[in-house]
Amino acid sequence: GAVVSQHPSRVICKSGTSVKIECRSLDFQATTMFWYRQFPKQSLMLMATSNEGSKATYEQGVEKDKFLINHASLTLSTLTVTSAHPEDSSFYICSARDSGGNQPQHFGDGTRLSIL
Amino acid sequence: GQQLNQSPQSMFIQEGEDVSMNCTSSSIFNTWLWYKQDPGEGPVLLIALYKAGELTSNGRLTAQFGITRKDSFLNISASIPSDVGIYFCAGQLGNAGNMLTFGGGTRLMVKP
Repeated sequence: GAVVSQHPSRVICKSGTSVKIECRSLDFQATTMFWYRQFPKQSLMLMATSNEGSKATYEQGVEKDKFLINHASLTLSTLTVTSAHPEDSSFYICSARDSGGNQPQHFGDGTRLSIL
Repeated sequence: GQQLNQSPQSMFIQEGEDVSMNCTSSSIFNTWLWYKQDPGEGPVLLIALYKAGELTSNGRLTAQFGITRKDSFLNISASIPSDVGIYFCAGQLGNAGNMLTFGGGTRLMVKP
């Protein structure tokens, strides 16, 4: 089945650090990938839609200069949390769907980001 | 984004019991999806529903896509301890970049 790999799985760093998270579709091409944020005991909240070769589409209230998204190839999207602060600590999850046909989204295993 | 109405929010059942959860929406979706999320991991797709009225099974799991395209249920038969986790429904439109709208989740706890 479709596999989405997300790396790293956990990051602990100091306030002010920028953190890059990678999302890869391993066995399919994805023109669109999605980035979510999840707080404890809550559902997934869509942050942005990552479009291959073009700018990402951000949801209302999500700072595009804070959360930089790059989707340079059909199998890789990256999310960079710039100058991270403790309030950015969360569980970040990406998803991707096969560009061919009506395929469901498959999720990565998530990245637990902890800012000290 | 907007959430679907998913219920119940949590369930604490005895091993071997059957489980039922459902999602409703005021909007029509082309696709309904059911995911399971274990702690510290991403959601894993359980069942995808594409046609109104469709009833699909995956082992002990059965899900149906409502005729109106505004609701879906997921049943788990003969629950086992490894069924513990959070179950999410998600609706997907055919357009709008194929964004998913998620339910609030059902936390399932199984007592051995």
